Amino acid sequence: DTAVSQTPKYLVTQMGNDKSIKCEQNLGHDTMYWYKQDSKKFLKIMFSYNNKELIINETVPNRFSPKSPDKAHLNLHINSLELGDSAVYFCASSLQGQGNSPLHFGNGTRLTVT
Amino acid sequence: DQQVKQNSPSLSVQEGRISILNCDYTNSMFDYFLWYKKYPAEGPTFLISISSIKDKNEDGRFTVFLNKSAKHLSLHIVPSQPGDSAVYFCAASLPNFGNEKLTFGTGTRLTIIP
Repeated sequence: DTAVSQTPKYLVTQMGNDKSIKCEQNLGHDTMYWYKQDSKKFLKIMFSYNNKELIINETVPNRFSPKSPDKAHLNLHINSLELGDSAVYFCASSLQGQGNSPLHFGNGTRLTVT
Repeated sequence: DQQVKQNSPSLSVQEGRISILNCDYTNSMFDYFLWYKKYPAEGPTFLISISSIKDKNEDGRFTVFLNKSAKHLSLHIVPSQPGDSAVYFCAASLPNFGNEKLTFGTGTRLTIIP
């Protein structure tokens, strides 16, 4: 069973479109994240949610809107896509309050904006 | 501002020998460090971690060393095996953030030569 699953795996779209990436975890974790890995391979946090509440927003443009319907899901919606949004987006989860419980990552969604 | 740096983008090591991956950081406030391993088309997976109150942590073939005065950590893999071929990311976190806000390096691609 996949612990952190995200869909789609690949997403090719044109500038100006709106798209969503879905993420689900079945680990019983209470904290979920979105990370972005850009063309220079930097893996940077975008958002983190704890029990459906936003706790970190790393100066991400407001075209990016995460939504957490429950603590097992954290979806990422992106409006008005731009060329610079092309990257691999990783969802992750962990247990907050469990020391430094490691992050469990999904396999990534490669977004290409043309 | 790249606070966590992995200056070697790639490393090749003979099977059975020791692999040493290096990581430098600039923020002296970091108090927890992790190594993640990533295979192609998969998300990073947690490998080993170390708190700033320690200078060494060992788990089987993997040992992480921390030199706080030099702001340097290293991952030793011995003996290296073909399955160790992957990209290795160093990451660091600040007090009170734990895993909620990891700062990653850009990774080192390790290739184990049979």
